[in-house]
Amino acid sequence: EAQVTQNPRYLITVTGKKLTVTCSQNMNHEYMSWYRQDPGLGLRQIYYSMNVEVTDKGDVPEGYKVSRKEKRNFPLILESPSPNQTSLYFCASSRIGSANEKLFFGSGTQLSVL
Amino acid sequence: GENVEQHPSTLSVQEGDSAVIKCTYSDSASNYFPWYKQELGKGPQLIIDIRSNVGEKKDQRIAVTLNKTAKHFSLHITETQPEDSAVYFCAARTGANNLFFGTGTRLTVIP
Repeated sequence: EAQVTQNPRYLITVTGKKLTVTCSQNMNHEYMSWYRQDPGLGLRQIYYSMNVEVTDKGDVPEGYKVSRKEKRNFPLILESPSPNQTSLYFCASSRIGSANEKLFFGSGTQLSVL
Repeated sequence: GENVEQHPSTLSVQEGDSAVIKCTYSDSASNYFPWYKQELGKGPQLIIDIRSNVGEKKDQRIAVTLNKTAKHFSLHITETQPEDSAVYFCAARTGANNLFFGTGTRLTVIP
């Protein structure tokens, strides 16, 4: 089954404790992206990657890191989480080709930073 | 970058009535406009999309219209059902793969 898999689904942590949220897709997509969803703000892009070893900042990259060592994986790293990073996070992927390539989302990771 | 505005933020309709959600975008170069439905506890899922060379697209009870001159597009759901209750997001894409999303509309269909 074609899918984007994120782990964990729920995560509670404390300020300053490094964490990684994993994302994997099995559709051989070149493009991958991370979003955060906050009430009233919709989906805001954190980082994206057009291919292996190619990453770029989205609209809200501060406090986050990503890596793209393999085509299928795109982990999101919070080196020193803070309470304002409490949010619902989504990973997404798509092919690159035409303008109407469909974006597929994972099920989300609810992060709480205390 | 692109700025997408979405209205209303919440919408309640009686079952069987129609629902309309409207979005505007700022970048005239945007050429792809998808709509996503997010059910509780799930990620957004694409329900319909439209390209800039098309004015209207329909899929059963849902339709999307695009007015390039005015830079706005709308989602229309007819004969609403309780399972249509969800959060809906519009989005716009300019050239490359990045999608810019609206702030979402929470639709509630009252049985």
